[in-house]
Amino acid sequence: TQLLEQSPQFLSIQEGENLTVYCNSSSVFSSLQWYRQEPGEGPVLLVTVVTGGEVKKLKRLTFQFGDARKDSSLHITAAQPGDTGLYLCAGEDNNNDMRFGAGTRLTVKP
Amino acid sequence: EAGVAQSPRYKIIEKRQSVAFWCNPISGHATLYWYQQILGQGPKLLIQFQNNGVVDDSQLPKDRFSAERLKGVDSTLKIQPAKLEDSAVYLCASSLIGVPEAFFGQGTRLTVV
Repeated sequence: TQLLEQSPQFLSIQEGENLTVYCNSSSVFSSLQWYRQEPGEGPVLLVTVVTGGEVKKLKRLTFQFGDARKDSSLHITAAQPGDTGLYLCAGEDNNNDMRFGAGTRLTVKP
Repeated sequence: EAGVAQSPRYKIIEKRQSVAFWCNPISGHATLYWYQQILGQGPKLLIQFQNNGVVDDSQLPKDRFSAERLKGVDSTLKIQPAKLEDSAVYLCASSLIGVPEAFFGQGTRLTVV
């Protein structure tokens, strides 16, 4: 079983639509990271959330950390084709190892 | 600032052959990770180094996989002998000690035929 469960697994939307993807766990994390990965490339860090209830904005992307620090969400407003990619969440487990979810594969059609 | 460098980018080998991957982390990053990413899945941690010591290798298939970071900088990951199910992208990442954010290389795509 995954330490971090991401949903949905796949998401295909039209340009201009809004979307939310989720990262859930039964474990408490001191921080969670969101990465985006494009084909043929390594994951690129988008944001780190640390405080329960924290909201961070990165242009059209809004990241939220759950109050209990067990879950996080990523909301994209007015999605663009350039947002297409694999969105991964990651958190440190009890051994301070960084573990990843399986990711949400987003496709934004023009 | 130079990023994490990995080589080769692609490798095709036959099953039962050996292969090695190389990683040069960002300068000053004491923590180095090797991940295996199978198509359609998230990265799976294989091994974590801090300087030249192993922090966690619990998910490394030690009967065939080995990794070293002799001088606390560059690292190599070896598979011997390779199996078909080892086909994946092998990602190297590095970070500062105590900082969760990691920086990834482009990965090595391994195909075992």
